[in-house]
Amino acid sequence: EDKVVQSPLSLVVHEGDTVTLNCSYEVTNFRSLLWYKQEKKAPTFLFMLTSSGIEKKSGRLSSILDKKELFSILNITATQTGDSAVYLCAPTSGTYKYIFGTGTRLKVLA
Amino acid sequence: GAVVSQHPSWVICKSGTSVKIECRSLDFQATTMFWYRQFPKQSLMLMATSNEGSKATYEQGVEKDKFLINHASLTLSTLTVTSAHPEDSSFYICSARFSGSIHKRSYNEQFFGPGTRLTVL
Repeated sequence: EDKVVQSPLSLVVHEGDTVTLNCSYEVTNFRSLLWYKQEKKAPTFLFMLTSSGIEKKSGRLSSILDKKELFSILNITATQTGDSAVYLCAPTSGTYKYIFGTGTRLKVLA
Repeated sequence: GAVVSQHPSWVICKSGTSVKIECRSLDFQATTMFWYRQFPKQSLMLMATSNEGSKATYEQGVEKDKFLINHASLTLSTLTVTSAHPEDSSFYICSARFSGSIHKRSYNEQFFGPGTRLTVL
């Protein structure tokens, strides 16, 4: 059975802190892993990772995948209150089936 | 990027009635769309994969007779919750898979609609 575990479940930090969110997975026919940010509505896309060891960056956010150890991390540096959201990772199984983790709820305090 | 819309944004209905939710890809054609359900403080659970011109593929535990999916065109999929009950109250999100380029940027991923909040009284 496919399994995705995100940790921590919830995190409260102060503005300016750096956070690391973890995603471990066991998925048949793994193809890629995606990270999403969900505020009040539908998730918004952050990253798609397909290769091990290659860091993807977008501003203060970065992410990397380890296909041997079956995990990915999402880093956010110099956090801001606008980063408060639920962060979801979704490894893909087969061609396009996304399997979402439970998410990490991040709250950034001013 | 590619835009997906959903209608309605929220709906309140009485127990026993049926509710139809539409999912449209606005600026691209999608042969494959997906329907997810999300309960409060939980993650997105895939309900079914909707394929244009053919029957939907349902995930284990999802009743196909209760959640009717129709993907009649390359830009529209509908989810009908039949004989809705309070336990069907949830946030329903669709996504559409897009593989191609828009404004010289390449995509190969699902784009999500804004979601529909269903409350069944």
